Amino acid sequence: QVQLQESGPGLVKPSQTLSLNCLVSGDSINNPNVRYWGWIRQPAGKGLEWVGRVYTNGGTIYSPSLKSRLTMSLDTSTNQVSLKLKSLIAPDTGIYYCAANFGNSYDAFHVWGPGTVVTVSS
Amino acid sequence: QSALTQPRSVSGSPAETVTISCTGTSDDVGGYNYVSWYQQYSGKAPKLLIYDVTKRPSGVPARFSASKSGNTASLTISGLQAEDEADYFCCSFAGSYTLFGGGTKVTVL
Repeated sequence: QVQLQESGPGLVKPSQTLSLNCLVSGDSINNPNVRYWGWIRQPAGKGLEWVGRVYTNGGTIYSPSLKSRLTMSLDTSTNQVSLKLKSLIAPDTGIYYCAANFGNSYDAFHVWGPGTVVTVSS
Repeated sequence: QSALTQPRSVSGSPAETVTISCTGTSDDVGGYNYVSWYQQYSGKAPKLLIYDVTKRPSGVPARFSASKSGNTASLTISGLQAEDEADYFCCSFAGSYTLFGGGTKVTVL
């Protein structure tokens, strides 16, 4: 059973770059049964916002509203999925979740990590 | 890209049936059979309930069912139980990206 665990700095200053990692355990991030790894975020007390996805071949699709600031990638040496979001602003504050899509569905999030809290504040 | 529209809250008594709607457009909900639904308890990560409009992952109780008509998808909880009190989010493929609904809080009276 694949398990995901996000990690990050917690507190980041405005205008800086956020770096998050998602450690995948129980399987390889190149598992052919996985179609993509995704990131979703949630401001406190609010709804879910799709951030983007990175396919197992390294291809990426980003939210149009974040595309200019966002980079996602796979690190096969550490079995981690990474997210970098630059030029941070206060609305980037929230819980960031990593999730996996298994190939039996074109677009769904079958497994989720517990999330990591990000606060953008000076 | 706008979020999918869900009612902010629905409520029902134990054993009743409640339905949550999720309205999008022909560019998302109406255009693809890739609607999914998630249950989220307070302080926890979301959990997949339904994928590909109507399919339930193993382990999800049969009282959760879903459907789609035109640009609106629906999640139905039959035989409502106290443990069903949570937030529910719909999600749809939208051509290349993915959209979530604003979420619906289900209260068991």
